[in-house]
Amino acid sequence: DTGVSQDPRHKITKRGQNVTFRCDPISEHNRLYWYRQTLGQGPEFLTYFQNEAQLEKSRLLSDRFSAERPKGSFSTLEIQRTEQGDSAMYLCASSRGETGELFFGEGSRLTVL
Amino acid sequence: AQSVTQPDIHITVSEGASLELRCNYSYGATPYLFWYVQSPGQGLQLLLKYFSGDTLVQGIKGFEAEFKRSQSSFNLRKPSVHWSDAAEYFCAVDEAAGNKLTFGGGTRVLVKP
Repeated sequence: DTGVSQDPRHKITKRGQNVTFRCDPISEHNRLYWYRQTLGQGPEFLTYFQNEAQLEKSRLLSDRFSAERPKGSFSTLEIQRTEQGDSAMYLCASSRGETGELFFGEGSRLTVL
Repeated sequence: AQSVTQPDIHITVSEGASLELRCNYSYGATPYLFWYVQSPGQGLQLLLKYFSGDTLVQGIKGFEAEFKRSQSSFNLRKPSVHWSDAAEYFCAVDEAAGNKLTFGGGTRVLVKP
């Protein structure tokens, strides 16, 4: 399967710990996006990359959040000093160009205790 | 700021019956419009999209949607639902064709045998 893959699928952590999620996009896609989805809500845009450049960050992305895409391939999303409000599904998506169809991964569910 | 409203949180429909999911958006110009489906344990999948042209758009799995500028609506329809259509459906808009989507809150569809 050559779709978007995310790891881990589920992470349980204690408040104050750091967590990192990884996303592997579809190989020929130059754009990579992170979205967050809380229970009962639609996904919310967090940030996106074109190749290795992070072009935009939502105001939802506090200073505790950092995303990287070092070689323009996979991406990581790190959350430092997690809070209970960070509990959500973190979705990664990729596309070929800015108007290409977005392909979403299955998400990484974070539970902060 | 643009917003997307899906007035129906839950819809229950009998298998074989028709389905219509409502979506209204708030934005000055005509944005790019999308419908996604999210099945349990699966990533969001694009059903259809509207960029311009014919206001009736055909998608996958027998779905169609109609853009009505006067009503700022983009309702999704299917003439005859199958049990496999049970899922959550999200309407989304993109104001600048950059795949930075604003999603509605979703409508969960239950299919009765």
